[in-house]
Amino acid sequence: SQQGEEDPQALSIQEGENATMNCSYKTSINNLQWYRQNSGRGLVHLILIRSNEREKHSGRLRVTLDTSKKSSSLLITASRAADTASYFCATAPMDSNYQLIWGAGTKLIIKP
Amino acid sequence: NAGVTQTPKFRVLKTGQSMTLLCAQDMNHEYMYWYRQDPGMGLRLIHYSVGEGTTAKGEVPDGYNVSRLKKQNFLLGLESAAPSQTSVYFCASRPWTGYNTEAFFGQGTRLTVV
Repeated sequence: SQQGEEDPQALSIQEGENATMNCSYKTSINNLQWYRQNSGRGLVHLILIRSNEREKHSGRLRVTLDTSKKSSSLLITASRAADTASYFCATAPMDSNYQLIWGAGTKLIIKP
Repeated sequence: NAGVTQTPKFRVLKTGQSMTLLCAQDMNHEYMYWYRQDPGMGLRLIHYSVGEGTTAKGEVPDGYNVSRLKKQNFLLGLESAAPSQTSVYFCASRPWTGYNTEAFFGQGTRLTVV
């Protein structure tokens, strides 16, 4: 069963605006990861945030993690047309070495 | 460095036919996974392997079998394809150097069962 739940399911914004996606999960985790999937392609890892971290940056990406609320957010600043993709969160649960549990994703459309 | 390579990329099968999907990784990763992705849904784990010679069932294993005879290869078999197995299949690998490692994905195999 899916643990991660992304919100919103779909998001359409103008180029240059910021995009925020949220992920909620149910169990204790070692880390939470965000991935991007361009249409018809495989997933590509964007950023990993550990359970003892609260915020992490990578270029135009900012990820926050609130373990008390079991939630994370991904912010993409100054969006570009090339950011159009689906974004997935995956959690590595604390009681498993191998598992990554995936959400259903947020489909982001950047309008030029 | 090729990463994770899946073959074939596309396939059309008739109901009842069998086929094998091949996943090869050149990163010496211990963990390998087979997922299926259906429209509007996330990834569902079919089978996984934590090392050469070992496999285990995931969330949706029925109708599939796997083998990992060599560390770099993870094969997914469909013995008797059904229309419900129409999907996009992704293979992934992941190193075991601690909990905080990322997964690397292949480009996917789009399978249609008619």
